[in-house]
Amino acid sequence: GENVEQHPSTLSVQEGDSAVIKCTYSDSASNYFPWYKQELGKRPQLIIDIRSNVGEKKDQRIAVTLNKTAKHFSLHITETQPEDSAVYFCAASVTGYQKVTFGTGTKLQVIP
Amino acid sequence: GAGVSQSPSNKVTEKGKDVELRCDPISGHTALYWYRQRLGQGLEFLIYFQGNSAPDKSGLPSDRFSAERTGESVSTLTIQRTQQEDSAVYLCASSLWPRSTSYNEQFFGPGTRLTVL
Repeated sequence: GENVEQHPSTLSVQEGDSAVIKCTYSDSASNYFPWYKQELGKRPQLIIDIRSNVGEKKDQRIAVTLNKTAKHFSLHITETQPEDSAVYFCAASVTGYQKVTFGTGTKLQVIP
Repeated sequence: GAGVSQSPSNKVTEKGKDVELRCDPISGHTALYWYRQRLGQGLEFLIYFQGNSAPDKSGLPSDRFSAERTGESVSTLTIQRTQQEDSAVYLCASSLWPRSTSYNEQFFGPGTRLTVL
């Protein structure tokens, strides 16, 4: 089955700096890669996703890149703000088979 | 409409007791997932239901865990003879597929915090 690894497990950045979270996956059939944000005590929510037919997707201060050859994808947050502090999960799945495999999470702390 | 709901929000039980957790998915969502999240840990897949297909139970940690879903509606996760290591937040999620344009976007419920004394 699919295995998703995520690094780092914790990340502290100064407000205004950029943050990068990296994930690798094992199943070459995976073609959908969502990222979820979980604020303290709250439920995970989708913040951005990317499909295998594109290499990069951007939404305001967040962007995701995908390298299918190397089987890794990354989340980039620019101009970080305190409200970006949360746990971020990457995930991978295969269209047509809905089981989603999550990474172990990255706790991001943005220091004001 | 309303999002995914779960009940109870908190459950404290004694070791050895059975517990039942409930999930109400978003109306019309064909897929339903259960995850376990231990304190400070990631999302551990437990079980997945898709319409009337056989559920994917590959993540259930032991035969003490079981889940049911009637059609495309409510699901219950049952843990028998609870152990202290079962203490965690149990999250339910649902998704709309294949009609969704966001592939497998999952909408999570608020979770049930289970504490086994």
